[in-house]
Formats: sequence, C-alpha cells, structure tokens
Amino acid sequence: EVQLVQSGAEVKKPGESLRISCKGSGYSFTSYWISWVRQMPGKGLEWMGRIDPSDSYTNYSPSFQGHVTISADKSIGTAYLQWSSLKASDSAMYYCARLYTSSSPFDSWGQGTLVTVSS
Amino acid sequence: QSALTQPASVSGSPGQSITLSCTGTSSDVGGYNYVSWYQHHPGKAPKLMIFDVSDRPSGVSNRFSGSKSGNTASLTISGLQAEDEADYYCSSYSSSTTWVFGGGTKLTVL
Repeated sequence: EVQLVQSGAEVKKPGESLRISCKGSGYSFTSYWISWVRQMPGKGLEWMGRIDPSDSYTNYSPSFQGHVTISADKSIGTAYLQWSSLKASDSAMYYCARLYTSSSPFDSWGQGTLVTVSS
Repeated sequence: QSALTQPASVSGSPGQSITLSCTGTSSDVGGYNYVSWYQHHPGKAPKLMIFDVSDRPSGVSNRFSGSKSGNTASLTISGLQAEDEADYYCSSYSSSTTWVFGGGTKLTVL
C-alpha cells in the first residue's frame, strides 16, 4: 500500500526555523516526485513546489520561491519542507503529495502537518 | 500564476446530479489536458477523483465524471449521496513544470 506519512503538528514562534517531513512507503521513492501543498485556514490549496528525489532537482511556485526549501533524503525515503525564519502568515496545514511526472496527477497524499506560528 | 476559479459552494439533494466548474486560462486548463479533481473531507488527506480531464482512478465511483471546454473544466457527480459532501478542488498543470489549484467548492448534500 502506498503511504505518505507526515510529521506531527508544530507550534513555533516567529523567526524560528522549522523542517517538516514526509516519508514515503509502499513504492519506489525515487520513481515519483513529491510536491508540497499549502492550505491556509479557511482557504484553498496552493501548490508550493516539487522535488525529484532521484536527483533532488526542485522547482517552486513563484509565490514560494525563496521563502521555503524543499529537499529529500532518498536513502530513507523522506522529503522535507523547511523554513529558516517563520512568520505568522506561515500558519497553515501543509500536505505532501506524490506524482509520477509533470503530466501526472497528485495520486497519493499525506495526512497533513499543521504548522502554527505565534508569539 | 493565479488560482483557478471555482464557485465557493454548490448544493444538491440526494439522487440529483450536480456540476462543479473550474475556470483557468490558456496557460493552464485550456492549454493542457492535465486537469485533475480532488475530494477533500476536512481533517483527511485529499483524494484523487479525476485525472487527465476525464479519467477515473481505479476504485472511484463512475458517478464521478469530468470534462473540459476551452479554459473551463467541469466535474459532474450523478446520483448524489450524503458521503459526497466535501470540498472539491480542481488542479491543472501549468507552464514551466508548475501546477495550479482552484480555490475549492464546498458541496453540500441537502
């Protein structure tokens, strides 16, 4: 069974750093890209960026470029989303999702990680 | 890169058919046949319902169907059931290996 299991909820202060994770299982981790998707409270889904775990190539939505970093450790089948300096506006639910290629849909999703940034 | 436009809410009675719309541009919905639809029950992971405009993944009910005309894609749910009540999001491949989602439609089954 394909599974993407995300790390647990986080509560952080503005200015702090954070890395959340997404562990894939039940499939060849390097054969599929991983995307990250944000859902702010009461809002829709926003595509943030994606990584190809086979070579760690990334590309980002212009809205998120420079604000977050996506990485992956293929040796442990895990992708990451990280911030170097959180803002209150980063408070949201974050989902990871798997896709095969650029022409593929997001066919499996993680359960989501809730990030709360508050002083 | 703007979000795709979806109506905020749609409602229907059990057994009815409803259609959700998703409007983009020639750079996304109109330019590629890579539109997908996701069902999202709050607190759960989104679920792929339709991909490549009109294809259904294995296990998804044939009550769900998709289509596209120009820059607008549509999801039709026939024989509405209480369990269909959820948020529905469309997504499209866009240029330069990016993707865009719609703002979501809240479906209420009366």
